[in-house]
Amino acid sequence: GAVVSQHPSWVICKSGTSVKIECRSLDFQATTMFWYRQFPKQSLMLMATSNEGSKATYEQGVEKDKFLINHASLTLSTLTVTSAHPEDSSFYICSAQDRGYEQYFGPGTRLTVT
Amino acid sequence: GQNIDQPTEMTATEGAIVQINCTYQTSGFNGLFWYQQHAGEAPTFLSYNVLDGLEEKGRFSSFLSRSKGYSYLLLKELQMKDSASYLCAVRASGTYKYIFGTGTRLKVLA
Repeated sequence: GAVVSQHPSWVICKSGTSVKIECRSLDFQATTMFWYRQFPKQSLMLMATSNEGSKATYEQGVEKDKFLINHASLTLSTLTVTSAHPEDSSFYICSAQDRGYEQYFGPGTRLTVT
Repeated sequence: GQNIDQPTEMTATEGAIVQINCTYQTSGFNGLFWYQQHAGEAPTFLSYNVLDGLEEKGRFSSFLSRSKGYSYLLLKELQMKDSASYLCAVRASGTYKYIFGTGTRLKVLA
């Protein structure tokens, strides 16, 4: 149990375009999901907390207009990187929180912006 | 503020024991997690401590001292496949957000 999927697993896009990443909890309902970003040889940095049916809460320094988060159902949250630039190239990981406040991580999405 | 520190890199020999330390200063505490992460993959759960003391799980053990803001992960009988990054994360009280440490890259040598 407690499986979280992400789609796509990797994506290459051109500078200026937008990319959507999906995070799904497959066998449990998650009222809260989290989005992380990880640059090479660095740790996970929390970008935002996604709450079902309400606006996401962004961490300091993360642009909410650039990283759009939608948590439309109890099993799906999406992160859209708008007007992507090469510096947005990173490994994006989501997690879904169960009722016991434990987080289960997705497999990650490798974004490369050319 | 929130601060979680780990050594950046460690090297150990196959078959040996290694201890990875984590010190933290956070505004609230609701548990400490250790994760293993291989390059290009998501973190995988190793252990969880919320009370002081040692938790043992096979070749992996984790220790917590809340009064000292200190934890360590102990890996025994090291194998080559243990070469990975090890992440310490503190779960904040109230928000339940995970705050990750800087991560420790472990190299296991033959």
